[in-house]
Amino acid sequence: EADIYQTPRYLVIGTGKKITLECSQTMGHDKMYWYQQDPGMELHLIHYSYGVNSTEKGDLSSESTVSRIRTEHFPLTLESARPSHTSQYLCASSEYFTGDYGYTFGSGTRLTVV
Amino acid sequence: GQQLNQSPQSMFIQEGEDVSMNCTSSSIFNTWLWYKQEPGEGPVLLIALYKAGELTSNGRLTAQFGITRKDSFLNISASIPSDVGIYFCAGQLEETSGSRLTFGEGTQLTVNP
Repeated sequence: EADIYQTPRYLVIGTGKKITLECSQTMGHDKMYWYQQDPGMELHLIHYSYGVNSTEKGDLSSESTVSRIRTEHFPLTLESARPSHTSQYLCASSEYFTGDYGYTFGSGTRLTVV
Repeated sequence: GQQLNQSPQSMFIQEGEDVSMNCTSSSIFNTWLWYKQEPGEGPVLLIALYKAGELTSNGRLTAQFGITRKDSFLNISASIPSDVGIYFCAGQLEETSGSRLTFGEGTQLTVNP
């Protein structure tokens, strides 16, 4: 059973729509991340957070925004979706102080913008 | 950012064969991790390595943390069709303790029955 949940699993929307991809974790992890991944390709970090009210941009420039108002919740928002945003979006979380640096990933949201 | 060079990029093997893949970097890492991603899912942690020279097994999987701390390999013995997926290495750089992981580009494994 997953301890990190992403919804929706699949989403097809029209160009120009505003969307929010949800990510929640029940492990109490401080750090959370959003990755963008095209099919069969490498992971690109687009946003991360070290805790509540902390958000940073990742290595890959993205038009999306994130917020971290609660420890367990790290939603990603696209104000105006475009076909170039079509991709898989993966959320992950990790501990900070325990020395266990492994990430736990969600199952992903596959977004298609038409 | 820092890059991990993962090879090979893809592998096509017959069921029963052994598989080997590796990651190298010019930087020193203090943690190495190996993940597997199946189609339509997120990556799942297979093995974590925390000390140089450490050799760890998980069933048919064996991974090692290189002595130089700049590389790691993953071996899969007697492959089966359910081994299909993308395998990612990931490392935490020595100079960024408590920070985020750097991921390799992935190795796409196909196992023919």
